[in-house]
Amino acid sequence: QVQLQQWGAGLLKPSETLALTCIVDGGSLSDSYWAWIRQPPGKGLEWIGEINHSGSTNDNPSLKRRVTMSVDTSKNQFSLKLTSVTAADTAVYYCARGLRFGGGWFDPWGPGTLVTVSS
Amino acid sequence: EIVMTQSPATLSVSPGERATLSCRASQSVNNNLAWYQQKPGQAPRLLIYGASTRATGIPARFSGSGSGTEFTLTISSLQSEDFAVYYCQQYNNWLPFFGPGTKVNIK
Repeated sequence: QVQLQQWGAGLLKPSETLALTCIVDGGSLSDSYWAWIRQPPGKGLEWIGEINHSGSTNDNPSLKRRVTMSVDTSKNQFSLKLTSVTAADTAVYYCARGLRFGGGWFDPWGPGTLVTVSS
Repeated sequence: EIVMTQSPATLSVSPGERATLSCRASQSVNNNLAWYQQKPGQAPRLLIYGASTRATGIPARFSGSGSGTEFTLTISSLQSEDFAVYYCQQYNNWLPFFGPGTKVNIK
C-alpha cells in the first residue's frame, strides 16, 4: 500500500523559494505519476503540477512558470520548488500519486505541509 | 480551462438520511470525474473515480453517477464520520480542476 510522507520549510519570506520533498513508501516512482496540489487556508484545491519517473512534467499555467519539479529515483522521492513566493502562495501543500499522466485522479495524498509566506 | 461548480455550498443532513451532492462542468468531461472527502486538518481522500467507480475501501453507501457535464455523489445513509467537505475534480484534459466543495453539516 503506497504511503506518502512530505517535508519542507514552513515559513518563508516574500521572494524566497518554496522547497518541498515527498517520499514514496510501499511503491516505486516508476509505477505511477506524482503530483503537487495546494489549498489556501479555508479555500479549495489547486493542482500545481505533476511529474513522472523519467522527469517529464506538466504544470499549471496560473503559476506563471515559477514551478520546478524533480525526481530522485534512487531515494524514491520527488520534489517541488516554487520561486518568488508571495503571501498568495500561503497554503497547505500536498503531494499525491496520480493515476494517469496528463489528466488523472489522485490517491493517496500525503499529510500536507503548511507553508506560510510572511515578511 | 474547464470550470467546476458544486451545489449546494452547504448541506445540512440528519444522521441516517440520504445526502445528494451535485457537480457541474462548464463543458463535457465525459466520465472523467472524481470525488474526494476532506475532514478538518486532514488530506483529501479519494472516494470515486470514473464518475461511478468506488475507490478501494470506500463503503457502498457512497455512490457516484452522471456523465458529460452533470454529476452526483449520493451518500445513502449518513454516518457520523461522513460529515466533511466533498470536492469533485475533472481530469478530462491535462489541467485537472477541482470544484469549490460542498460542506455536509449535521442537522
